[in-house]
Amino acid sequence: QVQLVQSGAEVKKPGASVKVSCKASGNTFTSYALHWVRQAPGQRLEWMGWIHAGSGNTKYSQRFQGRVTISRDTSANTAYMDLRSLTSEDTAVYYCAANPGGLYGMEVWGQGTTVTVSS
Amino acid sequence: DIQLTQSPSFLSASVGDRVTITCRASQGISSYLAWYHQKPGRAPKLLIYSASTLQSGVPSRFSGSGSGTEFTLTISSLQPEDFATYYCQQFNSYPLTFGGGTKVEIK
Repeated sequence: QVQLVQSGAEVKKPGASVKVSCKASGNTFTSYALHWVRQAPGQRLEWMGWIHAGSGNTKYSQRFQGRVTISRDTSANTAYMDLRSLTSEDTAVYYCAANPGGLYGMEVWGQGTTVTVSS
Repeated sequence: DIQLTQSPSFLSASVGDRVTITCRASQGISSYLAWYHQKPGRAPKLLIYSASTLQSGVPSRFSGSGSGTEFTLTISSLQPEDFATYYCQQFNSYPLTFGGGTKVEIK
């Protein structure tokens, strides 16, 4: 059973960058995709992009293109989401999620990482 | 981008009620739709994938149906632990998108 554990809460100033990590348990890390989804206060869930942990292939939402980088370290079973040029509108809970069973649904979610952008 | 519109956005119901939530897609998405529920301060939990397949471990009172542009999530007999916000999500094309949510509260 895959479990995802994310890094802790972050407070950043406008213009800064944040890097959130997502560590997966188990030995099947390279066989599935990891997504990043965020949720601003009172807003709907918003998909940011995904990485296939095995190939390293990525796909990003155009909304974040150029500002987000998703990467992984297979030796550490960890994926990362790096978001640059932060503004107050980036204040949100950031989740990683995976579908290790290849389903059309995100089966496993991390606990979420709160990122607050404030001067 | 494919827009997903959920209705209603808010629903007040009692334990034991039958509840139906609708998700409409702005263009056809075949059966590439998932349903989640989310409780305050928690991550979403997958209930249904591929429009109608119950995720392992999810109670059978949850069911999903539909294809193309119109989908429904039905809870046959609402239980206390089902009071939450429900979201649909499409996997047909990028960017993946979510509906605006349906908050189910206790009457």
